[in-house]
Amino acid sequence: DAGVIQSPRHEVTEMGQEVTLRCKPISGHNSLFWYRQTMMRGLELLIYFNNNVPIDDSGMPEDRFSAKMPNASFSTLKIQPSEPRDSAVYFCASSLAGLQGNTIYFGEGSWLTVV
Amino acid sequence: AQSVTQLDSQVPVFEEAPVELRCNYSSSVSVYLFWYVQYPNQGLQLLLKYLSGSTLVKGINGFEAEFNKSQTSFHLRKPSVHISDTAEYFCAVPLYNFNKFYFGSGTKLNVKP
Repeated sequence: DAGVIQSPRHEVTEMGQEVTLRCKPISGHNSLFWYRQTMMRGLELLIYFNNNVPIDDSGMPEDRFSAKMPNASFSTLKIQPSEPRDSAVYFCASSLAGLQGNTIYFGEGSWLTVV
Repeated sequence: AQSVTQLDSQVPVFEEAPVELRCNYSSSVSVYLFWYVQYPNQGLQLLLKYLSGSTLVKGINGFEAEFNKSQTSFHLRKPSVHISDTAEYFCAVPLYNFNKFYFGSGTKLNVKP
């Protein structure tokens, strides 16, 4: 099993540029999560999808952030325009929701630096 | 609402010493509890989980945790730590029929030689 795959692993971009982070969840999983991790705020849930449908996006910081899941095997998190305060590690995770005892599996993260 | 609180942000310990990382939960419904570990520059991975049955749960790398309903705790323990245990540890509780997870603020375990 390949696990949750994220790309890019590292990105350095200039303020104002568009950033797109990509995620391929584990095959068969029906829930996908985007988290952001920073020193100041810890691990924050940005948005999660169930069966490709966004269920809760209350954690998305502002309109500059958007997420899509066009199919069960792909999701994107876009920041436009990017700002230095967006610098963080962004994790994608997936799980088989609704099943007692299921585990959430994380990707290795996308390390974003906005200068 | 269900949530977890990790009381210690950092725990320094010497190699081969025992360690306990604390987690308290608040819930008015049935409780399922998880511990995740994050090694430097990596994503989170499952360490162990409590769903039901025996209150003592054993996980990977020699870790174990005990579910204590009366104290609303789920502390993580290891009798003898190794340098390689240096990582950040997160307590977590699933919400809404496992459709969402709430993570604690994390405890950084620093094992010194």
